[in-house]
Amino acid sequence: GENVEQHPSTLSVQEGDSAVIKCTYSDSASNYFPWYKQELGKGPQLIIDIRSNVGEKKDQRIAVTLNKTAKHFSLHITETQPEDSAVYFCAAGGVIYNQGGKLIFGQGTELSVKP
Amino acid sequence: NAGVTQTPKFQVLKTGQSMTLQCAQDMNHEYMSWYRQDPGMGLRLIHYSVGAGITDQGEVPNGYNVSRSTTEDFPLRLLSAAPSQTSVYFCASSRSGRLGGELFFGEGSRLTVL
Repeated sequence: GENVEQHPSTLSVQEGDSAVIKCTYSDSASNYFPWYKQELGKGPQLIIDIRSNVGEKKDQRIAVTLNKTAKHFSLHITETQPEDSAVYFCAAGGVIYNQGGKLIFGQGTELSVKP
Repeated sequence: NAGVTQTPKFQVLKTGQSMTLQCAQDMNHEYMSWYRQDPGMGLRLIHYSVGAGITDQGEVPNGYNVSRSTTEDFPLRLLSAAPSQTSVYFCASSRSGRLGGELFFGEGSRLTVL
């Protein structure tokens, strides 16, 4: 089955700097790669996603890149702000024949943005 | 719109006890799933369902049962709780049974097994 590795586990940056979180996946059949943000005491929320037919997607200060050949994808946050501090999860999944899809998550990255 | 509602938010059990974590969504979503979150291990899929009457196993199904008798509800049952099941549990739903739609998560249920 799918296995997703996420690095780093913790990341500390100064306000205004960029943050990059990287993930690798194992199943070449995976074709959907979302990123979730989890604030303290809450459930994760989708912040951006990318499909396998796209190499890069951007939404304001957030961008995701995908390299299908190397089976890795990354989250880039520019001009970080204290409210970006949270745990970020990558995930990978693909449609399982006749059964809908499974979404497998990485281990999470705790991002701390210092003012 | 309530979204995904989980109850209870906190529960303490003794080893061997049984309990059910409740999950309900009011968005008419086809897909529902249960994850557990443990430090350093991210979110691991326990069971999922692509529609009423259909369930399947995720990464870590042992010790858990589910059923999906209605579109709205997806309860998770622990038949004989073990300390290894101490975790935070999240229910999540998505509009479609096929991947590519946003997963909406509940606020979590923190379970401690003594």
